[in-house]
Amino acid sequence: AQSVTQLGSHVSVSEGALVLLRCNYSSSVPPYLFWYVQYPNQGLQLLLKYTSAATLVKGINGFEAEFKKSETSFHLTKPSAHMSDAAEYFCAVRDDKIIFGKGTRLHILP
Amino acid sequence: DVKVTQSSRYLVKRTGEKVFLECVQDMDHENMFWYRQDPGLGLRLIYFSYDVKMKEKGDIPEGYSVSREKKERFSLILESASTNQTSMYLCASSPLRGSLLYEAFFGQGTRLTVV
Repeated sequence: AQSVTQLGSHVSVSEGALVLLRCNYSSSVPPYLFWYVQYPNQGLQLLLKYTSAATLVKGINGFEAEFKKSETSFHLTKPSAHMSDAAEYFCAVRDDKIIFGKGTRLHILP
Repeated sequence: DVKVTQSSRYLVKRTGEKVFLECVQDMDHENMFWYRQDPGLGLRLIYFSYDVKMKEKGDIPEGYSVSREKKERFSLILESASTNQTSMYLCASSPLRGSLLYEAFFGQGTRLTVV
């Protein structure tokens, strides 16, 4: 069965600093991977997705993620954090259903 | 834009009540999903559906049932609500069974409190 693991339930970065949110996957077949963001009291919104077309995927709001097969990773990054990035972030892998990690709450320090 | 609409943002129900959570999507998607979200546990799949009158159990189906009489509507039913079903419930839809390229589109969520 496919699964994803997000390292760190809470991450704090200073405004303007690099954001790095970690996701490792487990899959016996080439995976289809997603990052979603959830702002308070809202549903989930797609940030980006990996569908094997390119290993570096660019998403909305300046986020990007790199698929590394050798490391079974799909980490999410943003060069410079903004206060509006404070939210919960979910990594997910697609099977017949969509399987989510437990989420990482990103805190931005002024 | 795809729109997934959940009928209520907030609900308060009593223990033992039968509770219906409704979800409607407007993009003719075949797949629909119900998740519950709890702090520290992420999103857990309750049920999903590939087509009208089709349903599949997810990871935590106990205490829940679903109904999909029309393609655009997927209802989650709590047969006899209990306090441990207090949670955020999220509905989602995606196109084409078997097409792994497509992401799910989510509703705003229903925060259910059972007292």
